[in-house]
Amino acid sequence: AQKITQTQPGMFVQEKEAVTLDCTYDTSDPSYGLFWYKQPSSGEMIFLIYQGSYDQQNATEGRYSLNFQKARKSANLVISASQLGDSAMYFCAMREGENTDKLIFGTGTRLQVFP
Amino acid sequence: EAGVAQSPRYKIIEKRQSVAFWCNPISGHATLYWYQQILGQGPKLLIQFQNNGVVDDSQLPKDRFSAERLKGVDSTLKIQPAKLEDSAVYLCASRTSGMWEQFFGPGTRLTVL
Repeated sequence: AQKITQTQPGMFVQEKEAVTLDCTYDTSDPSYGLFWYKQPSSGEMIFLIYQGSYDQQNATEGRYSLNFQKARKSANLVISASQLGDSAMYFCAMREGENTDKLIFGTGTRLQVFP
Repeated sequence: EAGVAQSPRYKIIEKRQSVAFWCNPISGHATLYWYQQILGQGPKLLIQFQNNGVVDDSQLPKDRFSAERLKGVDSTLKIQPAKLEDSAVYLCASRTSGMWEQFFGPGTRLTVL
């Protein structure tokens, strides 16, 4: 079974609108963490946001927020007020286990922001 | 603060040749990772170092891939001999203790002909 599933190969959003990128995960370990990374065409993976499984509140970082629904095993990324520079690939990733930092990545979602 | 540095950025070789990639992590980051990212996929961990010791190399094809991190700072990843299926972007990342996020370099895009 896939550990991280991103079902949207591509998404379009108009500038200044909000967009949600979906991510579901599969683990039986009670301790885990979820990450979102942005990969522009230049290739570098840019860390956006992190959510620990025991965190009580949804993580937020500027225009990025993580909609963490533990019972549904989903960790969707919400980008508010999209900008043209947000056009990129977005990857959801998970570390699984209390002391592990090994990341398992999904296949990514390509976001395109249009004027 | 300088980010993770990698070189070269691009490399084209023929199959059966050898190639080496270099990574300089963020200063003070004890943990270093090498990932392979095949086109259309997410990165896959090849090897993880803690200082100059290997923590996890379970997914490293050891018959052709090798990596070292002498002195616990810079690292090199080598492929010998290369196969067509090794064409990918090789990403290096580093992490400091106490934080979970990994910081990535720009990657090396390898094309094997």
